[in-house]
Amino acid sequence: EPEVTQTPSHQVTQMGQEVILRCVPISNHLYFYWYRQILGQKVEFLVSFYNNEISEKSEIFDDQFSVERPDGSNFTLKIRSTKLEDSAMYFCASQQGNYGYTFGSGTRLTVV
Amino acid sequence: EDQVTQSPEALRLQEGESSSLNCSYTVSGLRGLFWYRQDPGKGPEFLFTLYSAGEEKEKERLKATLTKKESFLHITAPKPEDSATYLCAVQVSGGYNKLIFGAGTRLAVHP
Repeated sequence: EPEVTQTPSHQVTQMGQEVILRCVPISNHLYFYWYRQILGQKVEFLVSFYNNEISEKSEIFDDQFSVERPDGSNFTLKIRSTKLEDSAMYFCASQQGNYGYTFGSGTRLTVV
Repeated sequence: EDQVTQSPEALRLQEGESSSLNCSYTVSGLRGLFWYRQDPGKGPEFLFTLYSAGEEKEKERLKATLTKKESFLHITAPKPEDSATYLCAVQVSGGYNKLIFGAGTRLAVHP
């Protein structure tokens, strides 16, 4: 069964550093997403991406965040200057049409 | 404001003891309601999508139903491997395709 692949599975970074979280969505999917889940809290929407541009973003997705699809397969989330409160599980997801999303296994980001 | 509320927060069942999880929603317009299963340290795994009141879907021991205000996930004769957190999420009209999640129900099934 097709999968969404995320790397790395765990990233530890110092406060103020830049991190890039990487995702390979399912190849024939058209919609791409990033969500995050702070420990013990709800899964929260960050951003959706379609046709090579952001289609929607949440209030969380401020100027320190950016997304990119640099080639035909990868989808990245960059956090420019990490803060302690950015520590969370970050999930990439992809979707085709109106079917349920397929989520990746996540990247656990720890900011120290 | 669009909201999704799940109950109970946690549920402990004996193997074979059937039960139901609830997801109530308050949204401006529902495009779809989704159920996911999440194991510890993993991403949500898609189970069902429901689009209109009265719709039902089944998969093995799970059955999802939808009304105009809530959805139920019925678990029939659960097994220990059904232990997980079950997440409900909605897509709303005019909200592109983003999902709004509830906090989930942590289900533990004991032999």
